[in-house]
Amino acid sequence: DTAVSQTPKYLVTQMGNDKSIKCEQNLGHDTMYWYKQDSKKFLKIMFSYNNKELIINETVPNRFSPKSPDKAHLNLHINSLELGDSAVYFCASGGENYGYTFGSGTRLTVV
Amino acid sequence: GENVEQHPSTLSVQEGDSAVIKCTYSDSASNYFPWYKQELGKRPQLIIDIRSNVGEKKDQRIAVTLNKTAKHFSLHITETQPEDSAVYFCAARAPSGSRLTFGEGTQLTVNP
Repeated sequence: DTAVSQTPKYLVTQMGNDKSIKCEQNLGHDTMYWYKQDSKKFLKIMFSYNNKELIINETVPNRFSPKSPDKAHLNLHINSLELGDSAVYFCASGGENYGYTFGSGTRLTVV
Repeated sequence: GENVEQHPSTLSVQEGDSAVIKCTYSDSASNYFPWYKQELGKRPQLIIDIRSNVGEKKDQRIAVTLNKTAKHFSLHITETQPEDSAVYFCAARAPSGSRLTFGEGTQLTVNP
């Protein structure tokens, strides 16, 4: 069983399109995150949900909208994709007493 | 908020040598310090962590040391092997929540 599963693994799309990335965790963690990793490898936090409640919302364009239907799922919807959105997006889950477990990542390429 | 600085950004060693990566943090209340290894094209994976009530932790060839007074912690890899080549991230967490603040990563290359 994959602890944090993320789909799709690769996403190639044209500018202006809308796309979604899905994430599910079976670890029973209360908190889930979205991170963006650009070509310089830096892990930049975007959002965090705790038990379906948004607790971290970094300075991210409002074209990005997270949705958490329950504490095991955190999806990311991106509207009007731009070239600069190309990156690897990682979902992660964790809690106060342990570190994160990352999903396998989604490599988004906007052309 | 917490700020984590990581050095060096790149590190190249010969197989069998030791490698040391250092991180400093700003929030003296931080109490949990994990290290992640990210191989090319893969996800970051937790390799070792240390809590603020411990000064050192070792797991086979890797060890982490923590100096709370100076607010820095280090990853030590001994007898490096080519498969140790990866990007390594340090992180710190304050007790008020679960969010980790990451360093900018170190690209370690182990030359055969």
